Amino acid sequence: TQLLEQSPQFLSIQEGENLTVYCNSSSVFSSLQWYRQEPGEGPVLLVTVVTGGEVKKLKRLTFQFGDARKDSSLHITAAQPGDTGLYLCAGAEAPGTYKYIFGTGTRLKVLA
Amino acid sequence: GAGVSQSPSNKVTEKGKDVELRCDPISGHTALYWYRQRLGQGLEFLIYFQGNSAPDKSGLPSDRFSAERTGESVSTLTIQRTQQEDSAVYLCASSPRINYGYTFGSGTRLTVV
Repeated sequence: TQLLEQSPQFLSIQEGENLTVYCNSSSVFSSLQWYRQEPGEGPVLLVTVVTGGEVKKLKRLTFQFGDARKDSSLHITAAQPGDTGLYLCAGAEAPGTYKYIFGTGTRLKVLA
Repeated sequence: GAGVSQSPSNKVTEKGKDVELRCDPISGHTALYWYRQRLGQGLEFLIYFQGNSAPDKSGLPSDRFSAERTGESVSTLTIQRTQQEDSAVYLCASSPRINYGYTFGSGTRLTVV
């Protein structure tokens, strides 16, 4: 079973600071997704990356898929309180699979 | 509806009772998934459906857990003889195709007392 480890596990920062969240595995994934989950809600898809080395931007969020497709990072510029939540990465076990394995999660709190 | 709907949103049950959790996916989404999320933890895969078939049941924790899907639509997750360790949020998601990503429901919070 492929495992996805996220770091840090918890992060508390001030509004306006930058941060990076990491998602690592010893296994190769055919694609990887990032989700954000708020209390009492299901995770919401932020982005899907498919190609090794791929970089995608979503406003102040920058997502990168590692060249070897074993890791990914999420960078947030000038964090805002609205960015608070649980960030989850999820990797597809094999090409053509519908099944994603979720990481352990990073709980982010942005203080005003 | 426009999103994935789960019911009930909250369920408190006594240890040993059976419970049924329902998921209405987005219309036309062929794939449907069940995940479990314990307090403060990530998502644990339970089962997924492609159409009405379940190619992968590997995540079901024990034979007390079962799931079915009918009409390539509604799915029901049944837990028999509930135990306290079954307490968690049960999340359902659907997806239209490979690598497209999931749309999750808000979950059913199950508490076994």
